[in-house]
Amino acid sequence: AQTVTQSQPEMSVQEAETVTLSCTYDTSESNYYLFWYKQPPSRQMILVIRQEAYKQQNATENRFSVNFQKAAKSFSLKISDSQLGDTAMYFCAFRNNDMRFGAGTRLTVKP
Amino acid sequence: NAGVMQNPRHLVRRRGQEARLRCSPMKGHSHVYWYRQLPEEGLKFMVYLQKENIIDESGMPKERFSAEFPKEGPSILRIQQVVRGDSAAYFCAGRGGMNTEAFFGQGTRLTVV
Repeated sequence: AQTVTQSQPEMSVQEAETVTLSCTYDTSESNYYLFWYKQPPSRQMILVIRQEAYKQQNATENRFSVNFQKAAKSFSLKISDSQLGDTAMYFCAFRNNDMRFGAGTRLTVKP
Repeated sequence: NAGVMQNPRHLVRRRGQEARLRCSPMKGHSHVYWYRQLPEEGLKFMVYLQKENIIDESGMPKERFSAEFPKEGPSILRIQQVVRGDSAAYFCAGRGGMNTEAFFGQGTRLTVV
């Protein structure tokens, strides 16, 4: 089974600054999908951004962007202009058929 | 996403009872995933189903746990003879085709007393 590793259990960032969350994965597949989900204190899982492995261009969604390095099996999330509402757990996910998650990174945005 | 319905939101069971957790994905979504989350931990994969078929149940304990996604009706995660260690939040996610993201329900928090 594929594995997803998030090596940063906790991160913090000052409001309006930029932070990068790391994610690596292990797979022998060539076609797959990668996602970042956010889980605020409400515990609702919210999709932040997605990336198809066959696309070389890095996905962006407003203040959120990814650095997808397929050869290195790396998929980091960059949050620009951090806002207090970005405080949450962030989970990286890999999907081919089933979908596996990393252990998560707790991000705190400080005023 | 409010479109994926899980019920009940909270479920309390005594040790030895059965727990039934329901998940109704969005209309037209025929793929469902179930996850278990302990406090301060990530989502642990349990089972992946497509209508009437179990595709991958490698994350589900072989005893006491079962899952189904019938042709009609919601997906059901059933836990028989619950124990205190089953207390957790259980999330389901549903999706349509391969090139679509999965949408999560709000979870069911199971407490075994």
